[in-house]
Amino acid sequence: DAKTTQPPSMDCAEGRAANLPCNHSTISGNEYVYWYRQIHSQGPQYIIHGLKNNETNEMASLIITEDRKSSTLILPHATLRDTAVYYCIVRVPLEGSQGNLIFGKGTKLSVKP
Amino acid sequence: DAGVIQSPRHEVTEMGQEVTLRCKPISGHDYLFWYRQTMMRGLELLIYFNNNVPIDDSGMPEDRFSAKMPNASFSTLKIQPSEPRDSAVYFCASSFRRHSGNTIYFGEGSWLTVV
Repeated sequence: DAKTTQPPSMDCAEGRAANLPCNHSTISGNEYVYWYRQIHSQGPQYIIHGLKNNETNEMASLIITEDRKSSTLILPHATLRDTAVYYCIVRVPLEGSQGNLIFGKGTKLSVKP
Repeated sequence: DAGVIQSPRHEVTEMGQEVTLRCKPISGHDYLFWYRQTMMRGLELLIYFNNNVPIDDSGMPEDRFSAKMPNASFSTLKIQPSEPRDSAVYFCASSFRRHSGNTIYFGEGSWLTVV
């Protein structure tokens, strides 16, 4: 079973920030938080990952709470092309089977004009 | 750089036929994964390889499924004989252990329909 909890769906207006929450209250000290998304009919796409510090790249920002029990993925200016299912995953990247990606049901983000 | 390349992109086959799906991982990557996605079960890990050696095949549904990785640049997933319940999208993915975070990159998938 996935170790994360996400809302099944969210809407966001085009041009606004999309804030996608994820709960991972049982995360271990050596587990990272990863975010992937899957646009319809395409393979999952890596977005960002982090351990305990906030991270930012060209696609998104990742905010991890101090206790690491939850995180938020932020798409600063959502576009229609950001409509996808977003998966939050915790894993230990270098540890055998624990390092594999176990996908839950994710959050279906719909960006509306 | 080219990403993970899968073929065929789409396949329709009759029940009982053999199906072979192919994957070329990103050059230099030492891990390769096969996933399956269905509406009912979502994305499931079937098997993964490290340095061409199968490490964990516990996700392979049954003996009709087999996967091989004869070299670092090629892997196959074979279903023999195929059944309608095997209809799904099959994704191949790869990663490089020493990259920061060991990020896993996915191909575009092979859409299999068994009739």
